[in-house]
Amino acid sequence: AQKVTQAQTEISVVEKEDVTLDCVYETRDTTYYLFWYKQPPSGELVFLIRRNSFDEQNEISGRYSWNFQKSTSSFNFTITASQVVDSAVYFCALSESNTGFQKLVFGTGTRLLVSP
Amino acid sequence: NAGVTQTPKFRILKIGQSMTLQCTQDMNHNYMYWYRQDPGMGLKLIYYSVGAGITDKGEVPNGYNVSRSTTEDFPLRLELAAPSQTSVYFCASSPVAPRVYEQYFGPGTRLTVT
Repeated sequence: AQKVTQAQTEISVVEKEDVTLDCVYETRDTTYYLFWYKQPPSGELVFLIRRNSFDEQNEISGRYSWNFQKSTSSFNFTITASQVVDSAVYFCALSESNTGFQKLVFGTGTRLLVSP
Repeated sequence: NAGVTQTPKFRILKIGQSMTLQCTQDMNHNYMYWYRQDPGMGLKLIYYSVGAGITDKGEVPNGYNVSRSTTEDFPLRLELAAPSQTSVYFCASSPVAPRVYEQYFGPGTRLTVT
C-alpha cells in the first residue's frame, strides 16, 4: 500500500535560515510520481513540483531545491534563505499512476513558521 | 480562465441536514476529484471521476455521494450530516494526457456540522 510520511509536524526558523522538509514514501510500484504542494495561511493548495520515479536528478528553482533518493525512498525539500512568505503548511504526495489520472496519497504536512 | 471554483466558501450545518458542495472547472479537464482535509491532517480522497457519467469511490466515501453529468461540474452531496464531516473540502481536476500533470485545486469549502 502507498504511504507518505512527513515526520516533522512543525518547524520554526528565523528568516534567512535554510530549512529542509523531509518526505519518506512507501510504494510497491516501480513507476510513480511525487509531488510537493504548499498551503499558505489563506488555505489554497499551490503546486510546487512533480517528479517521476525514473528521474533522480535533483532540482533547483530559485530558493527551492528538491533531493530525490530512491535508495532511501525520500523526496526532501529545502528552502534556502527562508523568508516570512514561506510560512505555510507543505504537503508531500505520491501517485502510482503513470497516466493523467492519479489518486494522490498525501502526507500529514509540515507546518513551517518563518519569523522575522 | 477561472480554473476550479467551489461554492460555498463556508457553511454551517446542523446534524442531519443535507447539502451539496458545488465544484466547476473551465479547463476542460476529464479527471475530477474530491478531497477532505481534517485539522492537522493531509488530504484524503473521497470520490473521483474520470469523465462525465463515470464516478468511483476513493479512500473515505461513506456519507457522501457524487454525480458527474457534465465535464465541467462535479458536485458532492452530503446526506444526513454528522459532526465527523466537519472538514475543509477541496475539489481538484487534472487533464487527460500522455503524462502526469499536477492536480489543480479549488479554494476549498470549510464545513462545520454542529
